[in-house]
Amino acid sequence: NAGVTQTPKFQVLKTGQSMTLQCAQDMNHNSMYWYRQDPGMGLRLIYYSASEGTTDKGEVPNGYNVSRLNKREFSLRLESAAPSQTSVYFCASSFTNTEAFFGQGTRLTVV
Amino acid sequence: QKEVEQDPGPLSVPEGAIVSLNCTYSNSAFQYFMWYRQYSRKGPELLMYTYSSGNKEDGRFTAQVDKSSKYISLFIRDSQPSDSATYLCANGGVNQAGTALIFGKGTTLSVSS
Repeated sequence: NAGVTQTPKFQVLKTGQSMTLQCAQDMNHNSMYWYRQDPGMGLRLIYYSASEGTTDKGEVPNGYNVSRLNKREFSLRLESAAPSQTSVYFCASSFTNTEAFFGQGTRLTVV
Repeated sequence: QKEVEQDPGPLSVPEGAIVSLNCTYSNSAFQYFMWYRQYSRKGPELLMYTYSSGNKEDGRFTAQVDKSSKYISLFIRDSQPSDSATYLCANGGVNQAGTALIFGKGTTLSVSS
């Protein structure tokens, strides 16, 4: 089983460039999440989607946009990358009120 | 969002020791709890999930929840070097906007052989 798949695994961007991080899950989960993980900061929620067609801001949404393309896919877009967005990004999915499963992460460096 | 507090460690123990990892949470409306293990440069891997007070056991791992004191624990028996990782606790529930999942900052564990 693939579970939660994220692409790309690594990316280097120049300040001001844009990019989209892709996430797909094959577990028929209704909820999907984007987190960033920084040293000493733990996992911080950027955006989440409780169900297809809905998205909501998390703890650190500034500088990001999301799209819940369908039930399987949830993308995260950086419109104008900044060095402060250098981080490891994780996508996760779950049924409502159950445990979440994570992808393997995207390591993003903004120079 | 309410917080989940977790001692970051690092925690170093010899092989075979019993390890106790602890978290406190503040939002009593969030009724389910998870422990994740994260190896270096990998995604978090679900270890335990529970929604009730008391103990839940899975092999060498026991998750304990005390809702009256808002305290959650993970015990690892007969710890192995392969248990060396960062352990994340999480508290989840449903708010007005949908499902929310709040993580502690993680405790780094090192088990020496």
